[in-house]
Amino acid sequence: EIVLTQSPGTLSLSPGERATLSCRASQSVSSSYLAWYQQKPGQTPRLLIYGASSRATGIPDRFSGSGSGTDFTLTISRLEPEDFAVYFCQYGGGSPHTFGQGTKVEIK
Amino acid sequence: QVQLQESGPGLVKPSETLSLTCAVSGYSISSGYYWGWIRQPPGKGLEWIGSIYYSGTTHYNPSLRSRVTLSADTSKNHFSLTLSFVTAADTAVYYCARQHSGDYKSAFAMWGQGTMVTVSS
Repeated sequence: EIVLTQSPGTLSLSPGERATLSCRASQSVSSSYLAWYQQKPGQTPRLLIYGASSRATGIPDRFSGSGSGTDFTLTISRLEPEDFAVYFCQYGGGSPHTFGQGTKVEIK
Repeated sequence: QVQLQESGPGLVKPSETLSLTCAVSGYSISSGYYWGWIRQPPGKGLEWIGSIYYSGTTHYNPSLRSRVTLSADTSKNHFSLTLSFVTAADTAVYYCARQHSGDYKSAFAMWGQGTMVTVSS
């Protein structure tokens, strides 16, 4: 099983700042199956990034994904008020699909 | 517009079977894509349960494989989850989702609103 470890657990930032979230896999994985999701309290997860770097439909270009091998990054270039949420990475290329434990981006 | 809606009992007794259905509107499940189930215990992270193609091909989380069955009914345009011998550890919000492509390894692109299932006597 591929274990995904996200860091930091919580990121305290102000609107307008840049957010950098990390997702590390327990072994080298295919970028094709690495995804990122946003979840706000009481809401459904929303796909942001698939294939490590492709934005899903309707996702603003301030969200970007990068990485390969074991290290992947989600970057939010300038935080908007609606971006404060929990972010999960997910890998579908192994058995089972696995999710990271999440990074909470909170208002500083 | 594609929409997914989970339905089923909100309370299940321990050792019994949990059954949920995901009704899909705005898209025919027989047109392609994999369809999946994911759950989230209160205050915790996400766990993939399994995925199904309209033809009936399934992929399960090995940790749940012995208790899970997924099925698809193209005539009703819905797919279903059954989880047997439930315990309190199965208490969670259960989501159904459409995957991003016809590859079961792909991301979960569209999600239902989720349904809370509590296992308690």
